[in-house]
Amino acid sequence: AQKITQTQPGMFVQEKEAVTLDCTYDTSDPSYGLFWYKQPSSGEMIFLIYQGSYDQQNATEGRYSLNFQKARKSANLVISASQLGDSAMYFCAMREGGSARQLTFGSGTQLTVLP
Amino acid sequence: GAVVSQHPSWVICKSGTSVKIECRSLDFQATTMFWYRQFPKQSLMLMATSNEGSKATYEQGVEKDKFLINHASLTLSTLTVTSAHPEDSSFYICSAGGGHDSNQPQHFGDGTRLSIL
Repeated sequence: AQKITQTQPGMFVQEKEAVTLDCTYDTSDPSYGLFWYKQPSSGEMIFLIYQGSYDQQNATEGRYSLNFQKARKSANLVISASQLGDSAMYFCAMREGGSARQLTFGSGTQLTVLP
Repeated sequence: GAVVSQHPSWVICKSGTSVKIECRSLDFQATTMFWYRQFPKQSLMLMATSNEGSKATYEQGVEKDKFLINHASLTLSTLTVTSAHPEDSSFYICSAGGGHDSNQPQHFGDGTRLSIL
């Protein structure tokens, strides 16, 4: 079974609008972390936001917020006021257990911001 | 600024050549580093976990003799693609970090685009 599922291969959003990128996960470990990374066409992986399994509040970082619904095992990324520079591939990832563990990535969502 | 440096950024070489890729943590020590491979329009797939001072842990299906990993110091891990062939052409990217706090993100190098002719 897939541990991280991103069901939207591609998304389009109008500039200045908000967009939600979906992510669901599967784990039996009570301690885990959820991450979102942005990968522009140049290839580098840019860390956006983190949500811990024990965090009571949804994480926010500037225009990025994470809609964490633990019971549903979902961790959707919300980008507010989209900008043309937000066009990129977005990956949801999970780290289970201890901190020195690898990340498991979803299949990604290609976001295109339209002018 | 970048906290993980990866070199080279891109390599084009002939079939049969061995290629070494370096991954350095710039301002922190990393006992563990990770090597991923990414095909076009696909996700990152973990190849191996590089452990300082011990053997790397390879994921199922990854050839240990093809992808040699050395983690000789707390700031450097290398991936050597031995006797590379066209099917080894891919985007390789390393990561490090996380620290002792589970909320710390892994930091990625900028990746290496490998093209085998």
